[in-house]
Amino acid sequence: KQEVTQIPAALSVPEGENLVLNCSFTDSAIYNLQWFRQDPGKGLTSLLLIQSSQREQTSGRLNASLDKSSGRSTLYIAASQPGDSATYLCAVDRGSTLGRLYFGRGTQLTVWP
Amino acid sequence: NAGVTQTPKFQVLKTGQSMTLQCAQDMNHEYMSWYRQDPGMGLRLIHYSVGAGITDQGEVPNGYNVSRSTTEDFPLRLLSAAPSQTSVYFCASSLSGGYYEQYFGPGTRLTVT
Repeated sequence: KQEVTQIPAALSVPEGENLVLNCSFTDSAIYNLQWFRQDPGKGLTSLLLIQSSQREQTSGRLNASLDKSSGRSTLYIAASQPGDSATYLCAVDRGSTLGRLYFGRGTQLTVWP
Repeated sequence: NAGVTQTPKFQVLKTGQSMTLQCAQDMNHEYMSWYRQDPGMGLRLIHYSVGAGITDQGEVPNGYNVSRSTTEDFPLRLLSAAPSQTSVYFCASSLSGGYYEQYFGPGTRLTVT
């Protein structure tokens, strides 16, 4: 069974820092990996999708990398802002049940001014 | 585009009552799914559908029923609510399972007393 782990569970940093959030998964046979953001009491917002054949994706200040062979992904946030405060979730689509996402428990990020 | 919509936002049920959580999307997505999110557990797949008339079970299907009569709608029925079903429920959709970005609704917070 696919297990997804996110480290750290929580992170508190001052504004302006560059951050790295980590995600690891046990089964490298994935179709894609998706990073989401969840604000308290809200739904999930998709940030980046990396297909299994890709190494990284970028959107604005966000950069996600994927190393399928080692079962790792990182989400890099440049020049963090208080508005980045949220929980960040990593999910992999293993593909045995097409579309089924296996989620990590998230990293709760607080960026203080 | 409204994206993925869910109703109601909040619901309180007594043990043994039944109800239907509504989910709709206007993106002509074939794939739709239901997840529940519990503290410390991450999101877990309940049921999913790869198209109108086709549904299947996910990881935690017991106590829930689904049907998919149209591409747009994917309701989730609780047959006889139990306190263990207290959770936040999210509906998601994507163009197809496996390679495409998934979009989530805002969630329904359900409490069973």
